Amino acid sequence: NAGVTQTPKFRILKIGQSMTLQCTQDMNHNYMYWYRQDPGMGLKLIYYSVGAGITDKGEVPNGYNVSRSTTEDFPLRLELAAPSQTSVYFCASRREGNTDTQYFGPGTRLTVL
Amino acid sequence: AQSVTQLGSHVSVSEGALVLLRCNYSSSVPPYLFWYVQYPNQGLQLLLKYTTGATLVKGINGFEAEFKKSETSFHLTKPSAHMSDAAEYFCAVSDVTGGYQKVTFGTGTKLQVIP
Repeated sequence: NAGVTQTPKFRILKIGQSMTLQCTQDMNHNYMYWYRQDPGMGLKLIYYSVGAGITDKGEVPNGYNVSRSTTEDFPLRLELAAPSQTSVYFCASRREGNTDTQYFGPGTRLTVL
Repeated sequence: AQSVTQLGSHVSVSEGALVLLRCNYSSSVPPYLFWYVQYPNQGLQLLLKYTTGATLVKGINGFEAEFKKSETSFHLTKPSAHMSDAAEYFCAVSDVTGGYQKVTFGTGTKLQVIP
């Protein structure tokens, strides 16, 4: 299993541009998450999904959108990029139960200039 | 609402010394608690977790943590630090009720190991 994969690894955007961060997992996990990590701030939940076709907002959803058309994929869309969205983005997935481990992707480092 | 507090954003220890990383949590329901490690330019990996049962939990790489309900703590320890332990460590708490698992992460503790 490849686990959780994310593309791209790095990206520089100009203010106002848009892009999609890709996330794929091959573990047949129902739950998927998008976090952003800023220095000294820990991880903040942007959006999550409990299964194909079901998504919901986390703590910091403004400026982002998600979709979940398949179990495997959970892309994160940035519309009208802003400098405040400069961050490292992590996708994670877990199977089902509340005690299950979250598995993280390697992250996407995004800079908005 | 649940929350996690990690005391000390940076901790330095000498190689071979005891590692102690502190984590306190608040939760309105019995918590599930996790420690994750993040090596530079990588995602988070699970070190160990407490769900129910034995309060002393052993994880990978010689780490362990003890759940102390009376102190609302879940401190991470390792008897002897190794250079390869240098990383950032995150404590997390999970709400056991509700329709989904909401995981709240602490702000992280960077561990430096001095040769």
